[in-house]
Amino acid sequence: GAVVSQHPSWVICKSGTSVKIECRSLDFQATTMFWYRQFPKQSLMLMATSNEGSKATYEQGVEKDKFLINHASLTLSTLTVTSAHPEDSSFYICSAPLTGTGELFFGEGSRLTVL
Amino acid sequence: GESVGLHLPTLSVQEGDNSIINCAYSNSASDYFIWYKQESGKGPQFIIDIRSNMDKRQGQRVTVLLNKTVKHLSLQIAATQPGDSAVYFCAENIVGNTPLVFGKGTRLSVIA
Repeated sequence: GAVVSQHPSWVICKSGTSVKIECRSLDFQATTMFWYRQFPKQSLMLMATSNEGSKATYEQGVEKDKFLINHASLTLSTLTVTSAHPEDSSFYICSAPLTGTGELFFGEGSRLTVL
Repeated sequence: GESVGLHLPTLSVQEGDNSIINCAYSNSASDYFIWYKQESGKGPQFIIDIRSNMDKRQGQRVTVLLNKTVKHLSLQIAATQPGDSAVYFCAENIVGNTPLVFGKGTRLSVIA
């Protein structure tokens, strides 16, 4: 089956620094990728839709200047958490739909801890 | 998203018993539904899906039931095993390049 890979799987950073998370579709091209955030004991909440070649679409309440999304190629989307604060600590998960079927494949997630 | 995650309810079952996990979905226009399993520290893992033109679909040890009248989805796991312990989420969307909206999950604990 199709594979979506995220990197890093776990990152710890100091408050005020920026962190970049990569999401790659390994064996298929994805013009669209979705970024989710998941706080402990809660469900996945959609943050934004990443579009190759155009600006990302953000969900209501998600600051686009804080969560920078760049869909650099048909296989790579990056999420940069800028000036991270402890409240940004969360599990960030990306997913990509397989062209044609629309079946969604999820990455393994990236756990961000901001000290 | 339309569904808001809250603290997870928990379902505890004895090993070997059947489990039923329920989900109320939010969008009456949704036509595609998926159940995911999420183990601690990992991304969601696909279990089974169903389209709105069906009301039941069976997989290996799992069955999904869809009741569009009351916007209700259920996942039945037969002969539950310790490896089934995880958090289970239902998700919905309208088929195409639209994102999935996740329901609040249910933590399944299997008692050996």
